[in-house]
Amino acid sequence: NAGVTQTPKFRILKIGQSMTLQCTQDMNHNYMYWYRQDPGMGLKLIYYSVGAGITDKGEVPNGYNVSRSTTEDFPLRLELAAPSQTSVYFCASKGTTQSSYEQYFGPGTRLTVT
Amino acid sequence: SQKIEQNSEALNIQEGKTATLTCNYTNYSPAYLQWYRQDPGRGPVFLLLIRENEKEKRKERLKVTFDTTLKQSLFHITASQPADSATYLCAYSGGYNKLIFGAGTRLAVHP
Repeated sequence: NAGVTQTPKFRILKIGQSMTLQCTQDMNHNYMYWYRQDPGMGLKLIYYSVGAGITDKGEVPNGYNVSRSTTEDFPLRLELAAPSQTSVYFCASKGTTQSSYEQYFGPGTRLTVT
Repeated sequence: SQKIEQNSEALNIQEGKTATLTCNYTNYSPAYLQWYRQDPGRGPVFLLLIRENEKEKRKERLKVTFDTTLKQSLFHITASQPADSATYLCAYSGGYNKLIFGAGTRLAVHP
């Protein structure tokens, strides 16, 4: 299993540009999450999904959108990029069984908006 | 609202010693707390989970405690090694396992 994969690894955007961060998992997990991590800070939840077709906002959703058309994929869309969105973005997934609490994280996408 | 606080200062210890990291939370006791390890440039990796009704949990050289009176979890690494150097994150789970993370504590183990 590849686990959770994210593309791209790095990206530089100009203010006002848009982009999509890709996230794919091959563990058949229903739960998927997007977090951002600013330097020296903990991860903050942007959006999450409990299954295909179902998404909801996390702690810091402004400026982002998500979709979940399949179990495997959970892309994060940035519209009108702003310098405040400069951060490292992590995608994570989790199984659905009652005993599964562990979240599996991808390697992250480092985004700079200038 | 609930907050998770970890010592933001780096912890420097000698190889072989026990490292102890602290995680404090405000307000209500979460049903469980999770601890993750994060290496530079990588995503967090799950280490341990401890439930509200568990005083202590162990996994190899790792030990986690949960004190609901003090509103605190302690994370111990015994016989520490330079390879244990990383940032350790504490998180509590909201509904749907939405994790709320502390800022993390950086541990440096010196030979």
